[in-house]
Amino acid sequence: QQPVQSPQAVILREGEDAVINCSSSKALYSVHWYRQKHGEAPVFLMILLKGGEQKGHDKISASFNEKKQQSSLYLTASQLSYSGTYFCGTEHSGNTPLVFGKGTRLSVIA
Amino acid sequence: EAGVAQSPRYKIIEKRQSVAFWCNPISGHATLYWYQQILGQGPKLLIQFQNNGVVDDSQLPKDRFSAERLKGVDSTLKIQPAKLEDSAVYLCASSTRRDRAGELFFGEGSRLTVL
Repeated sequence: QQPVQSPQAVILREGEDAVINCSSSKALYSVHWYRQKHGEAPVFLMILLKGGEQKGHDKISASFNEKKQQSSLYLTASQLSYSGTYFCGTEHSGNTPLVFGKGTRLSVIA
Repeated sequence: EAGVAQSPRYKIIEKRQSVAFWCNPISGHATLYWYQQILGQGPKLLIQFQNNGVVDDSQLPKDRFSAERLKGVDSTLKIQPAKLEDSAVYLCASSTRRDRAGELFFGEGSRLTVL
């Protein structure tokens, strides 16, 4: 079942923060986040495996609320290099395939 | 370490013709995936291999698409006959994880245009 991402698109100025949400109507086993720049392959950001888990590197972090069946990706003090389309992927069990959402297009401008 | 290799990068064909895409995963990666990404959408899983066995092909249109993974390494995805709606980027990805998706390493993709 495809997760729902919001917003569909967002424009930020350098230094601003953004939150991208990913939600599912079914219980989640794991949430994966990827970023894809135009014309390039998706690149792995992080996986969250447990409810309540939070992860991050640099100024990009994510949380996983198992009860609410959702995950949020936080981008703080955005940089031009953060521009791209962010996809969440979800699994409902260890035996179900990874299904990606439609993506959130993030544009960071100077 | 070499990444996931795919070819061709671009292919233009007419509807009802056939096309084949090739993928060479990262060495040692047991799991291989083929995704279809239509413009403006997220990648959609077509087929997942574990070594040379099929784990999931529930969304593969089997009347026209076929895929194989020879000797658990390289893989080919074939479309025959192609339809206009098959125009998309076909992404190959590989992973070391066995029982659930770990980090996926994607190739640059093969862009198909069906006229």
